Amino acid sequence: GENVEQHPSTLSVQEGDSAVIKCTYSDSASNYFPWYKQELGKRPQLIIDIRSNVGEKKDQRIAVTLNKTAKHFSLHITETQPEDSAVYFCAASVDTGRRALTFGSGTRLQVQP
Amino acid sequence: NAGVTQTPKFRVLKTGQSMTLLCAQDMNHEYMYWYRQDPGMGLRLIHYSVGEGTTAKGEVPDGYNVSRLKKQNFLLGLESAAPSQTSVYFCASSYSRGAAYEQYFGPGTRLTVT
Repeated sequence: GENVEQHPSTLSVQEGDSAVIKCTYSDSASNYFPWYKQELGKRPQLIIDIRSNVGEKKDQRIAVTLNKTAKHFSLHITETQPEDSAVYFCAASVDTGRRALTFGSGTRLQVQP
Repeated sequence: NAGVTQTPKFRVLKTGQSMTLLCAQDMNHEYMYWYRQDPGMGLRLIHYSVGEGTTAKGEVPDGYNVSRLKKQNFLLGLESAAPSQTSVYFCASSYSRGAAYEQYFGPGTRLTVT
């Protein structure tokens, strides 16, 4: 089955700096890669996603890049703000069949004011 | 439109007791999932359903059973709870096809087994 590895496990940045979180996946059939943000005690919320026919996607301060050949994808947050502090999870799935997500182990991002 | 709801929000069980977690969605989604989340780990798939009356095992199904008698509801049962089942349980739902890939998560159920 699919295996998703995520690094780093913790990341501390100063407000205004950029943050990068990286994930690798093992199953070449995976073609959908979402990123979720989870605040303490809350449910995961989708912040951005990318499909395998696209190399990069941006949404304001957030961007995701995908390298299918190397089987890795990354989340980039620019101009970080204290409200960006949360745990971020990457995931991978195939967009047919059961469509279940395989998650990475999470990155705790702390943005220092 | 409530989205995905879960009951209960918290529960404490003794080893060997049983309980059922209820997930309900009002978005007419075909697919529903149960995940568990443990500290330092991502969410792991327990069971899933691709439609009313169907269920299937995920990656960590042992000790759990599920049922989907109605399209909007997905039940997760623990027949004989064990301390290893202490976790936060999330239900999610999604459409089955098309560009709407997003999985919508419920608020979670925090379960402690003593």
